[in-house]
Amino acid sequence: DIQMTQSPSALSASVGDRVTITCRASQSIGNDLNWYQQKPGKAPNLLIYGATSLQSGVPSRFSGSGSGTDFTLTISSLQPEDFATYYCQQSFSTPRTFGHGTRVEIK
Amino acid sequence: QVHLVQSGAEVKKPGASMRVSCKASGYSFTSYGISWVRQAPGQGLEWMGWISGYNGNINYAQKFQGRVTMTTDTSTNTAYMELRSLRSDDTAVYYCAREDDILPGPKRFDPWGQGTLVTVS
Repeated sequence: DIQMTQSPSALSASVGDRVTITCRASQSIGNDLNWYQQKPGKAPNLLIYGATSLQSGVPSRFSGSGSGTDFTLTISSLQPEDFATYYCQQSFSTPRTFGHGTRVEIK
Repeated sequence: QVHLVQSGAEVKKPGASMRVSCKASGYSFTSYGISWVRQAPGQGLEWMGWISGYNGNINYAQKFQGRVTMTTDTSTNTAYMELRSLRSDDTAVYYCAREDDILPGPKRFDPWGQGTLVTVS
């Protein structure tokens, strides 16, 4: 199974900050990497697919980069509605696997 | 608009079985698959398996092999997930999610159902 390692596990940031979350795969997965946002009590919501493609309807302050084993999710200017938990997920092979999540909290 | 609507919360005794439904609307059900993902309280996301809406092909996570059955009913655009021999650590919110299937390109979970809380106690 492909292991997905996210860092940090949590971070505190202020509105307007630039936030970066990283995700590392245990083997090369090409561009088969997705990012999701989850708010408490809600289902996850797709933000980025194929490592760099912005899902329709997602604000442009979200961006993804990387390929192979190392990936990054960037929020260019954190907004109040962005405080949530973020997960990466590989779609290269089954079983599909997720990172353990990064909780973004208000500073 | 694409929607997945899941069945309601359940409380089960240890050793019992559970069955969650996931009704799809707003897209061609047979052009996509459905994955099932669960989330224990306060924990992360765990993929359980996938079923093709096109031909019923199935791929279960090894952890659940022998205990899970995923099916679809293309006449009602509904997917089902049954988990047997329930234990207390099966207490979780269970989600269905549409996943790209027969079309080439990136595979992604979108959208997700609203989730079904299953409590084993």
